[in-house]
Amino acid sequence: GDSVTQTEGLVTLTKGLPVMLNCTYQTTYSPFLFWYVQHLNEAPKLLLKSSTDNKRTEHQGFYATLHKSSSSFHLQKSSVQLSDSALYFCALRGGSALGRLHFGAGTQLIVIP
Amino acid sequence: GGIITQTPKFLIGQEGQKLTLKCQQNFNHDTMYWYRQDSGKGLRLIYYSITENDLQKGDLSEGYDASREKKSSFSLTVTSAQKNEMAVFLCASSIRAGGYAEQFFGPGTRLTVL
Repeated sequence: GDSVTQTEGLVTLTKGLPVMLNCTYQTTYSPFLFWYVQHLNEAPKLLLKSSTDNKRTEHQGFYATLHKSSSSFHLQKSSVQLSDSALYFCALRGGSALGRLHFGAGTQLIVIP
Repeated sequence: GGIITQTPKFLIGQEGQKLTLKCQQNFNHDTMYWYRQDSGKGLRLIYYSITENDLQKGDLSEGYDASREKKSSFSLTVTSAQKNEMAVFLCASSIRAGGYAEQFFGPGTRLTVL
C-alpha cells in the first residue's frame, strides 16, 4: 500500500542555517506530494505541493522538488528563522485510495537563536 | 474563503462513555475527514466521506463511528472512551477527493478521558 517515511523525528538548528527535512514515499500510482506545517496549538496548513517530476516548487521561502526516480520530496530552506519552529508533515496521495492522504510521522523542527 | 468549526473545543469524558464530536464546514467541499493526533505525533485517519452519502473507514476506525449528516457536517463518535486517553481530533475538508485537492483543517477537539 501507499506510505510515506520521514526519517527525522526532531531537528534542532540555529537560526540562519539551512535545513532539509527528508521525505520518501511508496506508491504504485502517479503520486501527488504535499508538505503541511503545524505550529504549536494550531491546525496543520498546506505549505507546498507537487505532482511534477523534477520541478522545484516554492512557498514562503521553503522549496521542494519531486524526484520520482528516487521517490523523494525533501523540504528545504536556505536560512531558517525562529518562526519556522513547527511540526512538518509530508503527505502522499496516490491513486490507490481515492480521496485520502497518507501522512508521514512528522518532523519537529526547533530553531534556536 | 471558508472556515471549519469543530465543537466542542475541549471534551472531558469518563471511561466507557460515548462521546460525540462535531464538524461543520462552509467551503461547500465534497470531501470531509476525521484524524486523530496524539501529542506531537502524526495524523491518523479515522474516517472520511468522499461525498455526502459516502462513508469510508480509515486506518484507525475501530472504536469510532462517523456520520455525514449533510454536505457541510461530519460527526465522529467515540463509542467507548478509554481511561487516560488524551488526543486531539482534527476535522478536515477538501473540494473533492483525489488529485491535487488541498485539505483544510479545523482547530481540533481536545479529548481527555478521566
